[in-house]
Amino acid sequence: GDSVTQMEGPVTLSEEAFLTINCTYTATGYPSLFWYVQYPGEGLQLLLKATKADDKGSNKGFEATYRKETTSFHLEKGSVQVSDSAVYFCAYRGSTLGRLYFGRGTQLTVWP
Amino acid sequence: DAGITQSPRYKITETGRQVTLMCHQTWSHSYMFWYRQDLGHGLRLIYYSAAADITDKGEVPDGYVVSRSKTENFPLTLESATRSQTSVYFCASIGDRGYEQYFGPGTRLTVT
Repeated sequence: GDSVTQMEGPVTLSEEAFLTINCTYTATGYPSLFWYVQYPGEGLQLLLKATKADDKGSNKGFEATYRKETTSFHLEKGSVQVSDSAVYFCAYRGSTLGRLYFGRGTQLTVWP
Repeated sequence: DAGITQSPRYKITETGRQVTLMCHQTWSHSYMFWYRQDLGHGLRLIYYSAAADITDKGEVPDGYVVSRSKTENFPLTLESATRSQTSVYFCASIGDRGYEQYFGPGTRLTVT
């Protein structure tokens, strides 16, 4: 069935380090792909999205490219900040009712 | 308040009690969702709704009941709470043509 697999956490980095969080999906067709972020004590917020192959989503210095050939949507940031500490969720939207399928989440902690 | 709200934000209840979690959105979005978030599982879909009076089961519906008599409200009821239902519950909504699911702030439920 449809699913999302993302990199296990936690991930701990120093400020200004490079970040990659891997995400791969299993789905039929051409799903839309998303990264959501959850800051401590809050609900999830959309970070970025890509709706077709080779699209690059970007926001707040984060980027992810929709790679259909590898069914991947890895999240990257060139220089992380302490304020990026959060849980990051990869997700894709299936064809039914706008339903999202989420990965298990990756906890990121950035130290000064 | 505009947006999506959940109440209560925190709830402690005893095993066997009935408890209802409320969700209210002000956008008149058609689609609404209930998720539970547990460590190691990410977000799992409990129930969703495409419109008033239309609901359907997600991945983990057992022990939960939903209703949607009005577009803006989507309450989730635990008919007889169990300890395994201790979790953080998130409500979300999305418009007919939107990509982004908007999440409420969550309800932390503890069943003793």
